[in-house]
Amino acid sequence: SYELTQPPSVSVSPGQTCSITCSGDKLGERYAAWYQQKPGQSPVVVIYQGHKRPSGIPERFSGSNSGNTATLTISGTQAMDEADYYCQAWDSSNVVFGGGTKLTVL
Amino acid sequence: QVQLLQSGAEVKKPGASVKVSCKASGYTFTSYHMHWVRQAPGQGLEWMGIINPNDGGTGYAQKFKGRVTMTRDTSTSTGYMELRSLRSEDTAVYYCARVEWQSFHIWGQGTLVTVSS
Repeated sequence: SYELTQPPSVSVSPGQTCSITCSGDKLGERYAAWYQQKPGQSPVVVIYQGHKRPSGIPERFSGSNSGNTATLTISGTQAMDEADYYCQAWDSSNVVFGGGTKLTVL
Repeated sequence: QVQLLQSGAEVKKPGASVKVSCKASGYTFTSYHMHWVRQAPGQGLEWMGIINPNDGGTGYAQKFKGRVTMTRDTSTSTGYMELRSLRSEDTAVYYCARVEWQSFHIWGQGTLVTVSS
């Protein structure tokens, strides 16, 4: 079965740029999405189709997807960005999520 | 506005079944597939399956085949997810979600299902 691999945790200082990766076989040939989830809340999509940003999502969130890796980049990270982040893609007719990355802003 | 409103928390005993509902509003229910995703305490997101509200066609993750049934009622714009033979490992928050551009743009608020004797 298809798997997506994320680092369990990433740390960043406020105002700095952070990147969260998601690895999967030929992931660049699929549409990847990224979700932000804060404690006790439902996930929110921050990037879809690899690089598109939904309305209402700050411009500091960007995405890329090439080869075997999709990357979520947060520029000028703010304290409010501290959350869990999940990547997601399709494998045939099934949906696959990465294991999630806890972003700590300190 | 577009919204998915789920039913309330449930407590079930091992071996029982649970049926969670997800009422759609603010859009044409039959125009978008509905998915179900669950999240065990402290764990990640796990996809369970999909239902096409237009014709009732379904697709389930291999892990849940034989134990889950997804249905819909177009007259009330409501989707349902029933999980049978519950065990403690099924304790989780269950979400319904609407897909656009191969990603989940609208989520329900989640329904906590606790399985405990």
